[in-house]
Amino acid sequence: DAGITQSPRHKVTETGTPVTLRCHQTENHRYMYWYRQDPGHGLRLIHYSYGVKDTDKGEVSDGYSVSRSKTEDFLLTLESATSSQTSVYFCAISESKYGYTFGSGTRLTVV
Amino acid sequence: AQSVAQPEDQVNVAEGNPLTVKCTYSVSGNPYLFWYVQYPNRGLQFLLKYITGDNLVKGSYGFEAEFNKSQTSFHLKKPSALVSDSALYFCAVPGTRIKAAGNKLTFGGGTRVLVKP
Repeated sequence: DAGITQSPRHKVTETGTPVTLRCHQTENHRYMYWYRQDPGHGLRLIHYSYGVKDTDKGEVSDGYSVSRSKTEDFLLTLESATSSQTSVYFCAISESKYGYTFGSGTRLTVV
Repeated sequence: AQSVAQPEDQVNVAEGNPLTVKCTYSVSGNPYLFWYVQYPNRGLQFLLKYITGDNLVKGSYGFEAEFNKSQTSFHLKKPSALVSDSALYFCAVPGTRIKAAGNKLTFGGGTRVLVKP
């Protein structure tokens, strides 16, 4: 979707290294979310933000941290990547509970 | 907690036949329900949503969904499936409120649809 971009689209990293994924929006939406997608689990919420510097944990937050210093950017950091964090990561934005827009995803492989 | 379940991991259907993807929900209060589709190597695309009103909701690409309160279901349907409908389909429900109007989406496990020519 044109209003939300994720970078990088693909990344291969080594176990134990830190990794940062970026989500950028041009919609000025208040809420931003990071999900991971794994076979058999659907999408699971990692962290979310309800405003600049306001973030909270989702259901699978261990090993991840986030930051939101500007409305348009929401960063997801894997502090020390593990193989279990190999996944596809999606960012989403919303202004209310009536509509959500998803990015194209980042495919992360931890070797 | 709000939740949805998709009982079928995969649905196979012949092109031209009706397609149904099942979703059941468990929510407190009035349910808001969504369907998303994911084509290979793509992000999630919005299909339709139920907020209130008519139980039959029409969405994108010829899809519709029927909200059934007594059966707590929100099944996705298409009268005549196309090969291009082959994709991964997700049912979703907003979760508990976070601070203000925004809500976290909780997803079902997904159903893979394969439409054969």
